[in-house]
Amino acid sequence: DSGVTQTPKHLITATGQRVTLRCSPRSGDLSVYWYQQSLDQGLQFLIQYYNGEERAKGNILERFSAQQFPDLHSELNLSSLELGDSALYFCASSVGLGNYEQYFGPGTRLTVT
Amino acid sequence: AQRVTQPEKLLSVFKGAPVELKCNYSYSGSPELFWYVQYSRQRLQLLLRHISRESIKGFTADLNKGETSFHLKKPFAQEEDSAMYYCALSPSNTGKLIFGQGTTLQVKP
Repeated sequence: DSGVTQTPKHLITATGQRVTLRCSPRSGDLSVYWYQQSLDQGLQFLIQYYNGEERAKGNILERFSAQQFPDLHSELNLSSLELGDSALYFCASSVGLGNYEQYFGPGTRLTVT
Repeated sequence: AQRVTQPEKLLSVFKGAPVELKCNYSYSGSPELFWYVQYSRQRLQLLLRHISRESIKGFTADLNKGETSFHLKKPFAQEEDSAMYYCALSPSNTGKLIFGQGTTLQVKP
């Protein structure tokens, strides 16, 4: 599959824990975006990376961090988890900076108990 | 403030009826507007963007800067159009997307 992949599909963890979500962009795409989808907030932009560098930040909590590695895959780290962090986390990729079409992954469903 | 509003959570129409999914935005500069769609058990995908001025799957959307709207229209709905539709705004060529809450379109036979 040459599309955007995300692992794991589902994650169940307890409050206070830390998890790492992984995203592999489409082949050739340099930009990676992270979005959070929750029932009350809808789909919200978290952060964008382009070729290893952070380029834009949205409503990302200080407990959350991300990075993009030299092979262009990206990881979103969520720490000191709270019940309210339960959500679907999407990764998307695009070929470059600017308003190119974004290709979305299937998402990781995080449940914090 | 940058905001996208989709006033309808659910829009239910019969097959063959016209469809209009409403989208209003709030942004002081020159935004780029998009419609993304998520069919059942599929990924979120781009349907159309205002700069391309295309008609995709019979859908069109016109940017009205005066009314700050980007409504999605189709003259005759098909059952396969049933899906979740998101309007999104990208401020000033940044790439990041600001989404509306989404509208579920249900096309009944």
